[in-house]
Amino acid sequence: ETGVTQSPTHLIKTRGQQVTLRCSSQSGHNTVSWYQQALGQGPQFIFQYYREEENGRGNFPPRFSGLQFPNYSSELNVNALELDDSALYLCASSLVGAVNYGYTFGSGTRLTVV
Amino acid sequence: AQSVTQLGSHVSVSEGALVLLRCNYSSSVPPYLFWYVQYPNQGLQLLLKYTTGATLVKGINGFEAEFKKSETSFHLTKPSAHMSDAAEYFCAVTPEEYSGAGSYQLTFGKGTKLSVIP
Repeated sequence: ETGVTQSPTHLIKTRGQQVTLRCSSQSGHNTVSWYQQALGQGPQFIFQYYREEENGRGNFPPRFSGLQFPNYSSELNVNALELDDSALYLCASSLVGAVNYGYTFGSGTRLTVV
Repeated sequence: AQSVTQLGSHVSVSEGALVLLRCNYSSSVPPYLFWYVQYPNQGLQLLLKYTTGATLVKGINGFEAEFKKSETSFHLTKPSAHMSDAAEYFCAVTPEEYSGAGSYQLTFGKGTKLSVIP
């Protein structure tokens, strides 16, 4: 079984630019969640997608948006990048109702905003 | 809102010594609880989880954790530390309102970095 894959692994952007991060879910999983992990912090929930719709959102502004595709892959888009957006962005997939299995996380995309 | 406190941002133990990483949560309603490990430049790997049933949970790599409702704790232990255990460990919980059905999000603690001294 394949795990969660994220691309790219590293990215450097300039303040004000836009960025798209990509995630392929683990086979059989139908829910994708995105987390932001700032340096020295635990992951913070951004939002979750199920059946191609946003299904929960954390305390992040609207310039953070996402998509889920029919094959359960997902994108995270961030507009008008700010320096504080520099972080490790983690994608996690899961199966609705199957809390016993937890999330499967990808290795993340390290975003640096300069 | 649910919160998670991990006591000690950095814990050092000698190789072969007991590992104890502490986690307390804020909810009055028993949540579902998880421990994840993160190696440098990697994502999170599930170590173990408590959902229902036995309160002593065994995970991978010899780790275990005990859910204590009266103490709102879920501390992670390993009897004998190995050099390969050096990593950052995160405790996470589900929201208070999560019933076990449907999708869920996790609230993470700030993490504890474990160093193992040879």
